[in-house]
Amino acid sequence: AQSVTQPDIHITVSEGASLELRCNYSYGATPYLFWYVQSPGQGLQLLLKYFSGDTLVQGIKGFEAEFKRSQSSFNLRKPSVHWSDAAEYFCAVGINNDMRFGAGTRLTVKP
Amino acid sequence: GAGVSQSPRYKVAKRGQDVALRCDPISGHVSLFWYQQALGQGPEFLTYFQNEAQLDKSGLPSDRFFAERPEGSVSTLKIQRTQQEDSAVYLCASSRTTLHDGYTFGSGTRLTVV
Repeated sequence: AQSVTQPDIHITVSEGASLELRCNYSYGATPYLFWYVQSPGQGLQLLLKYFSGDTLVQGIKGFEAEFKRSQSSFNLRKPSVHWSDAAEYFCAVGINNDMRFGAGTRLTVKP
Repeated sequence: GAGVSQSPRYKVAKRGQDVALRCDPISGHVSLFWYQQALGQGPEFLTYFQNEAQLDKSGLPSDRFFAERPEGSVSTLKIQRTQQEDSAVYLCASSRTTLHDGYTFGSGTRLTVV
């Protein structure tokens, strides 16, 4: 079955520490891949997207993600987390004109 | 407009009441999407419009849900005879062309059915 999996429901990191959020997908072909961030009471903001080409994608707010075809993964990373990064992060895959989301990972940042 | 605007921001409905949720997409955006986000979950696809044409409504959970975009701009999601399981945040998104652009999301309408 087609699916998007974010294995970590909740992650806590200290401010200034590095961050990696995991995302795995299960689709027959390589889909379009996205990461969104959602702050409380807000809509989703696009962080970055991958369609083809270079497998390391740079996004806004210092985030990057790496597409690994062999692992069907598209993990999100940030070298140094800021307190303002605390939010819910969603991985999404696009097939045709439909976008399917993972269940999300809640990020807490400790001072 | 500068972003995707949704109204109302909050809606409390009594069970059995009909509700209408409005989405005003970014001007000129061809594609418009509705998603339902239950508490603690990721958004779930409901329906998709390209201009005024509803090309995919496979995600609508029942025939109580109806969406329209008559002039290819503003869209309305209507839920008839609301039930408690309809309680969720309803997100609208628009895109300039297709999936390639990514979507711009509105802040959503939080519907609570009591």
